[in-house]
Amino acid sequence: DAGVIQSPRHEVTEMGQEVTLRCKPISGHNSLFWYRQTMMRGLELLIYFNNNVPIDDSGMPEDRFSAKMPNASFSTLKIQPSEPRDSAVYFCASSSETSVDEQFFGPGTRLTVL
Amino acid sequence: AQSVTQPDIHITVSEGASLELRCNYSYGATPYLFWYVQSPGQGLQLLLKYFSGDTLVQGIKGFEAEFKRSQSSFNLRKPSVHWSDAAEYFCAVGLTGGGNKLTFGTGTQLKVEL
Repeated sequence: DAGVIQSPRHEVTEMGQEVTLRCKPISGHNSLFWYRQTMMRGLELLIYFNNNVPIDDSGMPEDRFSAKMPNASFSTLKIQPSEPRDSAVYFCASSSETSVDEQFFGPGTRLTVL
Repeated sequence: AQSVTQPDIHITVSEGASLELRCNYSYGATPYLFWYVQSPGQGLQLLLKYFSGDTLVQGIKGFEAEFKRSQSSFNLRKPSVHWSDAAEYFCAVGLTGGGNKLTFGTGTQLKVEL
């Protein structure tokens, strides 16, 4: 199993640009989570999906952030327009009903907004 | 709502010394409890988990943790620390059932002195 796959691993962009982060969960997993990690705020849950449906998006910081999961094997997190304070490492994680809340994390995308 | 407290932000130990990282949780029922480790530039990796049964659980890399209901604690231990254990450690709590979100603590940064 390849594990959770995230792309790109690094992204550098300028303020105001649109950024799209991608995630492929582990095959067979039915829950997907997007996290943001910064030195100041630690690890924050942004949104999670269950069976491709958004269940809790209360962690999404503002309307500039949006996430989609069009099918069981793909999800995107989009920031439009991006701002320097969005610079962080964004992690995607997935879990299955049989793994009882155990989440498997991807390697993360390090986003730098100049 | 559940919460997790890791009271130690930084801990430094000498190689070969024993280690205990503290974790306290707040939750009405018996939670599912996890310890994750994050090496620099990496995603989070599961060390061990507790669901029910034996309150002392064994994990990977020689780590163990003990669930103490009376103290609402789930402390992580290792008898002899190796330099490669230097990393950040996160305690997390989940609701009963699969596919639910985890609540993470703020993390403890472990430094190992040679």
